[in-house]
Amino acid sequence: DTEVTQTPKHLVMGMTNKKSLKCEQHMGHRAMYWYKQKAKKPPELMFVYSYEKLSINESVPSRFSPECPNSSLLNLHLHALQPEDSALYLCASSQVSGGPDTQYFGPGTRLTVL
Amino acid sequence: RKEVEQDPGPFNVPEGATVAFNCTYSNSASQSFFWYRQDCRKEPKLLMSVYSSGNEDGRFTAQLNRASQYISLLIRDSKLSDSATYLCVVNELGSGSARQLTFGSGTQLTVLP
Repeated sequence: DTEVTQTPKHLVMGMTNKKSLKCEQHMGHRAMYWYKQKAKKPPELMFVYSYEKLSINESVPSRFSPECPNSSLLNLHLHALQPEDSALYLCASSQVSGGPDTQYFGPGTRLTVL
Repeated sequence: RKEVEQDPGPFNVPEGATVAFNCTYSNSASQSFFWYRQDCRKEPKLLMSVYSSGNEDGRFTAQLNRASQYISLLIRDSKLSDSATYLCVVNELGSGSARQLTFGSGTQLTVLP
């Protein structure tokens, strides 16, 4: 099973709202990732968690707050977003070391900020 | 200078054609190499890993030249269902042992009936 699930599939929020994106994998992967993808552009890395610890933050604004409650779950908390934050948010996971390092992507959450 | 460069296309080819995509990367310490495909409004999906010895999966052949820092993908006998964006991806070891993918901008392929 190489499945990464994400909820919700679609999200529309106002600039004053607080919402969360959720990601789950049951492949035993210990690295999880958040990416942002705008139309006709490649995914841009936002955050990397390795063994439930934040290891990479690609200078993402603080209105995006990641959380890794356990090795299977990854959340992205959203607050006071801007319309330019509208994008497809992709979660991915991979083994950390000692095996294939392929990243598997979830289907994404399509976010619209009004 | 972009770290991973691809011809953005678009490539419009007839069914049955052979099409080749090329990619160059700038970081000589890159460890792993992949081609992903992404359909419109969907997530990227792994097409194949790329090995120095070259590898083939059905109609798809991938090649890696580490000396030239060059990766290629060849699609033979193209099908309508091959229409997608093809992303060249290299993998580097980031901090904390987590790997970090760097994506090319993608090459758009449309196979025409």
